[in-house]
Amino acid sequence: DVKVTQSSRYLVKRTGEKVFLECVQDMDHENMFWYRQDPGLGLRLIYFSYDVKMKEKGDIPEGYSVSREKKERFSLILESASTNQTSMYLCASSFLAGYTYEQYFGPGTRLTVT
Amino acid sequence: AQTVTQSQPEMSVQEAETVTLSCTYDTSESNYYLFWYKQPPSRQMILVIRQEAYKQQNATENRFSVNFQKAAKSFSLKISDSQLGDTAMYFCAFMKTSGTYKYIFGTGTRLKVLA
Repeated sequence: DVKVTQSSRYLVKRTGEKVFLECVQDMDHENMFWYRQDPGLGLRLIYFSYDVKMKEKGDIPEGYSVSREKKERFSLILESASTNQTSMYLCASSFLAGYTYEQYFGPGTRLTVT
Repeated sequence: AQTVTQSQPEMSVQEAETVTLSCTYDTSESNYYLFWYKQPPSRQMILVIRQEAYKQQNATENRFSVNFQKAAKSFSLKISDSQLGDTAMYFCAFMKTSGTYKYIFGTGTRLKVLA
């Protein structure tokens, strides 16, 4: 079974703190994604990566950065957390190509910024 | 730009009944995939069913089936013989097969199956 894990299920941080969210997958997937999920807005793509050290901006990259030093690990960084970044963050991974194109999701990190 | 619309924020269905969740999308692409994902309460999101745009036959997976109307850009999910375990948030998603493999998700439909 594919496993995508995220470092924390719940996280509480203060405004202005630097926040690291980690994601690890064990299926040798090339693609990795970070989404935020908000009620009524669905899932919105923050950043994605299709290879080590490669990254592309998604639809809402402002206030976030990412790091992918190893194929299995994709980190989301909030440089200076703000209250409007309180949200559920989902990581996902998939193969670069292939007929399924299925994304495999982690359990999510619920981040609260106070 | 592609968009995905789920017009039903919440739905409920009696156990053993059938329910249909709606999804429409907008794209100028000719080749793409459509997906339904399920997110149970406090659990990980998983794929329910997938449809390739070039296939005319509607996809089915056990009690789950889709009604794919390419010309109308409609992709509804039918759940037959609903079970309590079907209670979840359901997301419709679009992915074009050219360029990067990015998904566009709808806003979700919260389905509650009633005993």
